[in-house]
Amino acid sequence: SAVISQKPSRDICQRGTSLTIQCQVDSQVTMMFWYRQQPGQSLTLIATANQGSEATYESGFVIDKFPISRPNLTFSTLTVSNMSPEDSSIYLCSVEDPGDANTGELFFGEGSRLTVL
Amino acid sequence: DQQVKQNSPSLSVQEGRISILNCDYTNSMFDYFLWYKKYPAEGPTFLISISSIKDKNEDGRFTVFLNKSAKHLSLHIVPSQPGDSAVYFCAASDGGTYKYIFGTGTRLKVLA
Repeated sequence: SAVISQKPSRDICQRGTSLTIQCQVDSQVTMMFWYRQQPGQSLTLIATANQGSEATYESGFVIDKFPISRPNLTFSTLTVSNMSPEDSSIYLCSVEDPGDANTGELFFGEGSRLTVL
Repeated sequence: DQQVKQNSPSLSVQEGRISILNCDYTNSMFDYFLWYKKYPAEGPTFLISISSIKDKNEDGRFTVFLNKSAKHLSLHIVPSQPGDSAVYFCAASDGGTYKYIFGTGTRLKVLA
């Protein structure tokens, strides 16, 4: 299993500002994922972050809006840039199962709830 | 286009009875499915999985059934307990990747 810590757990932000969310994992993992859950919606994959390479973004998400860093195998950051009220969401960091069993399971952090005014 | 659908946004069940949560998918390439439970202010926690080579997987009170021809899976919880009250998400992936498509969730309320 993996224990994932996210900071901040919640924040209220002003329109036009940017916020960086941190994700720390207690195990080394190759792939880290950033998801967004808008109010009443499903979890939507923003991007996949592998250490040593640029993040891979899903359709509808771009690096300028959601820059991601992955400096090592246990840490990643997601920045939400130039925020608007539509960016109000829960942002979730997720990792693959770090064990050898290759279960296919994803582990999630507790999420960062952003409210943009 | 929602590839994974949970058509029931909410479900109420009496304690001790069976809870059945349903999930439909459209992509026939999906071959691995997960169920997650999410409490408020917490991240989703893994419950149970099933691969397309099986039609049933059981873990304690939780059983997942997969009907590939109908592109349908269901999660059975029996007996239901008040602590099971949460939002349940199904998720699907293809090709052995960790890229999952999630459903919109079903809020389960187990009444004491």
